[in-house]
Amino acid sequence: QVQLQESGPGLVKPSQTLSLTCTVSGASISDSGYYWTWIRQHPGEGLEWIGYIYYSGSTYYNPSLKSRVIILVDTSKHQFFLRLSSVTAADTANYYCARVVPAPIPYYFDYWGQGILVTVSS
Amino acid sequence: QSALTQPASVSGSPGQSITISCTGTSSDVGGYNYVSWYQQHPGRAPKLIIYDVTHRPSGVSNRFSGSKSGNTASLTISGLQAEDEADYYCDSCTRSSTVVFGGGTKVTVL
Repeated sequence: QVQLQESGPGLVKPSQTLSLTCTVSGASISDSGYYWTWIRQHPGEGLEWIGYIYYSGSTYYNPSLKSRVIILVDTSKHQFFLRLSSVTAADTANYYCARVVPAPIPYYFDYWGQGILVTVSS
Repeated sequence: QSALTQPASVSGSPGQSITISCTGTSSDVGGYNYVSWYQQHPGRAPKLIIYDVTHRPSGVSNRFSGSKSGNTASLTISGLQAEDEADYYCDSCTRSSTVVFGGGTKVTVL
C-alpha cells in the first residue's frame, strides 16, 4: 500500500520560505513513470495544484506560483520537497503531497498524504 | 490558467441521482479525455473516484459515473446515499502540461 506523509513547520513567518517534506513508503519514487506532486487547499476553499516532479528532477509548476516554487526530489531518502518563497498570509493552507499517475499525461492523483496545515503569521 | 467551473452546491434526496458539471475550455477539458474527479469528506484528503473521464479505480462504487461533452465533463451519482455527502472536485490536464482543478461542489443529501 502506497503511503505519503507530509512533514514540516506548521507556522512560517511572512517573507520567509515555506519548506515541506513528503516521505513515500510502499512504493519507490523512482517507479517508472510516476510523478509526485504538491497540492494545497486554502481554509474552506478548493484545491490548487502547485506543481509536480519526476524522479529524474523534471518539474512542472502552476504558472501562478512558478516564480516562488521549487520542488525537489531525493530518491535515496524516498522523499520529495516543496519550497515556497516570500510567503504571505495568502499562502496559509493545508498542503497535500500525492502521487501522479503518468499515462499518458500526468494529471490525476491516486494516493494522497493526510495533509499538513501551514499558517503564515508573525 | 483559470479554474474549471463547477456549481457551488448540488443536493438530492436519498436514492435519487444527481449530476455535477465541470466546465473548461478547449485547452483543457475539451481538448483531452483526461478529466478526473475527487471526493473529499470534511477533514480528510481527497479520494480519486473517476479518471480519464469515465474510469473508476478499483473499489469505487459503480454508483459514480463520468461523462464528457465538448468542454463540459460531468459526474453522476446514482442511488444517492448519506455517505455521499461531501465536496467533489474535477481536474484536467492542460495544453501546457499543467493541471487545473474545478472550484468544487458541495453535495448535500436531503
